[in-house]
Amino acid sequence: AQSVTQPDIHITVSEGASLELRCNYSYGATPYLFWYVQSPGQGLQLLLKYFSGDTLVQGIKGFEAEFKRSQSSFNLRKPSVHWSDAAEYFCAVAVTGGGNKLTFGTGTQLKVEL
Amino acid sequence: GAVVSQHPSWVICKSGTSVKIECRSLDFQATTMFWYRQFPKQSLMLMATSNEGSKATYEQGVEKDKFLINHASLTLSTLTVTSAHPEDSSFYICSASHDSGTQETQYFGPGTRLLVL
Repeated sequence: AQSVTQPDIHITVSEGASLELRCNYSYGATPYLFWYVQSPGQGLQLLLKYFSGDTLVQGIKGFEAEFKRSQSSFNLRKPSVHWSDAAEYFCAVAVTGGGNKLTFGTGTQLKVEL
Repeated sequence: GAVVSQHPSWVICKSGTSVKIECRSLDFQATTMFWYRQFPKQSLMLMATSNEGSKATYEQGVEKDKFLINHASLTLSTLTVTSAHPEDSSFYICSASHDSGTQETQYFGPGTRLLVL
């Protein structure tokens, strides 16, 4: 079965600094990869997704992610963090023939210092 | 586009009562809807997958008689927590996708917070 690991439970960055959130997956083939953001008490908003093609994916709110097959990673990046980016970030995977089911990582809580 | 709503956004009920949560896709037809449960500071755990007009498929360990799911139309799915107990208190989130036969993005509702007293 596929699994997703987000090694960092909490990350704190200063506003304006760059950000990288790590995501590693375990699956025999290339999965479909997603990053979602959840603000307190809210549902999840899709930031970006990777299905195939260009391994560098651009998303909303200035986020991007890069799929690296050799490292089984799909790290999320942003060059300059804004205070409004403080939230919980979830990496998720879906697999071919998996009925569209998502498997989520445990999430990374981002705190932004002003 | 791709907006999913949930109602109610929060609910408090007494132990032993049943609670119904609605999930609606507002601007697309959702052939598949998913129900998740999220405990504080934890990830989302898939409870069940529902397809319009058919019975829901429950994940292992989820009691189908306790968590009744109905997907009566292409825009509405309901989750009923029957005979709720305090341990059922949680944040319930639905998502919806329009399945075209390939992997489709899930769009999430804002969630429903349930507190059972």
